[in-house]
Amino acid sequence: NAGVTQTPKFQVLKTGQSMTLQCAQDMNHNSMYWYRQDPGMGLRLIYYSASEGTTDKGEVPNGYNVSRLNKREFSLRLESAAPSQTSVYFCASRGQGAGTEAFFGQGTRLTVV
Amino acid sequence: SQQGEEDPQALSIQEGENATMNCSYKTSINNLQWYRQNSGRGLVHLILIRSNEREKHSGRLRVTLDTSKKSSSLLITASRAADTASYFCATDEISGTYKYIFGTGTRLKVLA
Repeated sequence: NAGVTQTPKFQVLKTGQSMTLQCAQDMNHNSMYWYRQDPGMGLRLIYYSASEGTTDKGEVPNGYNVSRLNKREFSLRLESAAPSQTSVYFCASRGQGAGTEAFFGQGTRLTVV
Repeated sequence: SQQGEEDPQALSIQEGENATMNCSYKTSINNLQWYRQNSGRGLVHLILIRSNEREKHSGRLRVTLDTSKKSSSLLITASRAADTASYFCATDEISGTYKYIFGTGTRLKVLA
């Protein structure tokens, strides 16, 4: 099993460009998450999807949009990238219910110049 | 602001010593979990403690939970250089929103 797969691994954008980060999981998990991690900092929740067809804002949603395409896939879109969005982005998934552990992708290192 | 705040932010100890890190949170929770992150990679789950538990052990890990103080601690005994990593707590709020919030993390360095 691949677990949680994120693409791309690295990306450099110019200010104002748009891009979509892809995430797919093969564990049949209901819940999926997008986090950002700035250097030396913790993870901050951007958006999450408790189940297919639902999405909700996290702690830092401004400047981002998400799509839960199906149960496997959860994408994160930056419509107009800004230098403040330079970060490492992690996708995670969890099974149904509280108390299940989260499984993480390997991260996408995004630099906006 | 983040749900969980870890303390200390950074910790440096000698191999063989014990490492203790703390996590405080703000809302009522169903459970609290600890994760480890090596060098900017994805997080890996370590241990879960439920709100009705006070202490839990797993190998060299010992976790405590004090819901009255909204705090948890993670103790790593007999630390090894390989334990060098960042450690984060994460909580499931009792409201059942599936929102999964991580703390700010403790960077642990174990010196050989």
